[in-house]
Amino acid sequence: ETGVTQTPRHLVMGMTNKKSLKCEQHLGHNAMYWYKQSAKKPLELMFVYNFKEQTENNSVPSRFSPECPNSSHLFLHLHTLQPEDSALYLCASSPLAPWSEYEIEQFFGPGTRLTVL
Amino acid sequence: QKEVEQDPGPLSVPEGAIVSLNCTYSNSAFQYFMWYRQYSRKGPELLMYTYSSGNKEDGRFTAQVDKSSKYISLFIRDSQPSDSATYLCAMITGTASKLTFGTGTRLQVTL
Repeated sequence: ETGVTQTPRHLVMGMTNKKSLKCEQHLGHNAMYWYKQSAKKPLELMFVYNFKEQTENNSVPSRFSPECPNSSHLFLHLHTLQPEDSALYLCASSPLAPWSEYEIEQFFGPGTRLTVL
Repeated sequence: QKEVEQDPGPLSVPEGAIVSLNCTYSNSAFQYFMWYRQYSRKGPELLMYTYSSGNKEDGRFTAQVDKSSKYISLFIRDSQPSDSATYLCAMITGTASKLTFGTGTRLQVTL
């Protein structure tokens, strides 16, 4: 596997379910991110982890719970979601956060398309 | 007012046309300006980035930044059907770790 992988690619869940999204990066990076992408809206940064420590939480509701056991893996645990949480959830990684001007790129996974019924 | 404004399109052009994609922004602290390309069912990938004002060229792509007008552009010359994708502008200040994205413009290049 190369780059950033995400599983599952599609997920349908009810409002009372608990599920988890998984992200893995094979790039040797130290920073990982969760973004939410909704139609006709800009990408919304949700969480930032740097060397396994959460460095940013963008006022995300507690029904989204991130976990970063090591620099290569990132999870997003979901529970009691709302229909408006339906979106594409993207994971990204970069060498560092805050970034260096020489290592500015964030590498994105393909995303998990989440539908909440 | 949104920090970054981008017309969502869709923009449809014939093959070989010159495409102009644009974003405006309100935060004068932004210093690095990026263009990401996102194909259907894929994550965004960095196309190119520029620092401060000026132009940068990479093959058929030219990125232009006008900080005085708070306006950035991406030009695609000799557009190809393989350029059909959503193009997202993104910006960052010199100190923050957070990228600020536009909504993305969906481009369709037809044969």
